[in-house]
Formats: sequence, C-alpha cells, structure tokens
Amino acid sequence: KQEVTQIPAALSVPEGENLVLNCSFTDSAIYNLQWFRQDPGKGLTSLLLIQSSQREQTSGRLNASLDKSSGRSTLYIAASQPGDSATYLCAVIMNTPLVFGKGTRLSVIA
Amino acid sequence: GAVVSQHPSRVICKSGTSVKIECRSLDFQATTMFWYRQFPKQSLMLMATSNEGSKATYEQGVEKDKFLINHASLTLSTLTVTSAHPEDSSFYICSALGGGTDTQYFGPGTRLTVL
Repeated sequence: KQEVTQIPAALSVPEGENLVLNCSFTDSAIYNLQWFRQDPGKGLTSLLLIQSSQREQTSGRLNASLDKSSGRSTLYIAASQPGDSATYLCAVIMNTPLVFGKGTRLSVIA
Repeated sequence: GAVVSQHPSRVICKSGTSVKIECRSLDFQATTMFWYRQFPKQSLMLMATSNEGSKATYEQGVEKDKFLINHASLTLSTLTVTSAHPEDSSFYICSALGGGTDTQYFGPGTRLTVL
C-alpha cells in the first residue's frame, strides 16, 4: 500500500528565505507526482505536476524535483513571501485517485 | 483552464438531517469524479470514485448507504450525507478527470458542520 510522508509537518521562516519541503513515498511505481497548495478552509490549488519520466518542473519561484527510484520529491520555494503561507500537499498518482501526504504547514513571517 | 465548482461552500445542519453537496465541471465533461474528505490537520482521504451512469465505487470503511453518490450527467456529481451526525463534520472536496488526461481538477470544497 502506497504511503506518502511529508517532512516537516510545520515550518516557520522569515520572509526572503529559500526553503525546501520534502515528500517521500514507499512505492516507486508511480505515474506522476503533484504538489498542491491549500489555504485554510479552501480547496486545492495545483502547483506543479511532474510526470514519472521527468526529473523536475519549474513555475516561477517554485521548483519541484522527483527521484522516483529513491521515492522522493522536493518542493523548493525561492525568496519566500508572506503570501506563500499555506499548507503544501504532495500527492502521488498510481492510478487515477491520488494518494496524499498530510502536508507541510508553512508560515512566512514578514 | 478546467474549472470545477462545488455548492454549497459551507453548510451547517442539525444532527439527523441530510445534506446534498454538488460538484460540477463547468467547461469540460468529466466521466469520472472523485470525492475526498479532510479532517482538521489530516490529509485528504478518498471516499469514493464516481463514474457517470454507473454506481460509485467506495473506499474501504466508507458507508455507501450513508454517503450517497449520484453521477447523473457528465458535468454533475452529487454527494448526499444522510442522517448526518457531528462526526461527519468535515471538509469535503471533489475532483474531476477532464480532457482525456490524468489530471484531476479540484473543486473549492464544502465545509460541513453538523450540530
């Protein structure tokens, strides 16, 4: 059974710092991996989708990497801003339903 | 981009009543929709997979008679929480598969509070 773990569970950083969020999964036979952002009480916003054949994807200040063989993905956020404060969820796609981690709650302090 | 809406966004009801939540794909047809539930500080958990025109497939531990799912058209799936109890209070999110891809588009979620 696929298990997705995200470390740390919570993170607080001063504005402007670069930071890395980690995601690990137990079964490397995945199709894709997706990073989401969730604001309190809101639905999910897709940030980056990495296909299993890719090693990384970039969007603006975000960069996500994928190492399928080791079961790891990282989300790198450059020059963090208070508006980046949210919960970041990692999900792996083995078949159409996603398997989610519990998320990392990020607070960026001005 | 593909948009999925949910209605209502927030609902408060009394224990024992039933609540219906709608999930709509606004600009694409979705043969498959998913319903997730999220308790505070927990990850999203898949409840059921809804296929247009057929019965939903429920995940282990999810009561199909309590959480009724109807996917009557290619743009609408409904989740009805029957005889709701306080422990059903949660955040319910739907997603839809669209455009012949594996990409899931998520709705904004519905916050259910059962008093």
